[in-house]
Amino acid sequence: GENVEQHPSTLSVQEGDSAVIKCTYSDSASNYFPWYKQELGKRPQLIIDIRSNVGEKKDQRIAVTLNKTAKHFSLHITETQPEDSAVYFCAASISSGGYQKVTFGTGTKLQVIP
Amino acid sequence: DTGVSQNPRHKITKRGQNVTFRCDPISEHNRLYWYRQTLGQGPEFLTYFQNEAQLEKSRLLSDRFSAERPKGSFSTLEIQRTEQGDSAMYLCASSLSGTNEQFFGPGTRLTVL
Repeated sequence: GENVEQHPSTLSVQEGDSAVIKCTYSDSASNYFPWYKQELGKRPQLIIDIRSNVGEKKDQRIAVTLNKTAKHFSLHITETQPEDSAVYFCAASISSGGYQKVTFGTGTKLQVIP
Repeated sequence: DTGVSQNPRHKITKRGQNVTFRCDPISEHNRLYWYRQTLGQGPEFLTYFQNEAQLEKSRLLSDRFSAERPKGSFSTLEIQRTEQGDSAMYLCASSLSGTNEQFFGPGTRLTVL
């Protein structure tokens, strides 16, 4: 099955700096890559996603890049703010029986220091 | 609140007892998923329903686990003869056919003593 590795496990940045989280996946059939943000005690929420036919996607301060050949994708957060502090999960998804079967990474705890 | 809801939010039980959790998906969503999340890990897929049909189960879902979605709306996850290793957050998510985004509920945190 699919295996997703995520690095780093923890990341501390000063407010205003950029943060980068990297993930690799194993199954070349994966075609959808969502990123979820989970604040302490709260549900995971989708912040950005990218399909396999796109190399980069940006939404305000958040961007995701995908390298299908190398099977890795990254999340970039610019101008970080304290409210960006949370655990971020990358995921890789394969179409299976008509639905997207999602495999999550182990998470990155991001701390933005004011 | 029109999001995914789960009940109870917390459950403490003794080893060997049975527990049941409920998930109410977003009303128009026909797809429903159960995940388990342990501390420091991402959610792990347990099972998937399309309408009332359970179409896929993970190998993580032992014989002690059973899930139902009798009318294609809410779902229940039952764990029989709980073990300490079952302690985790159980997350439910739902989505609509033809879309990729899964919307998560707040989870049920299970503690087995």
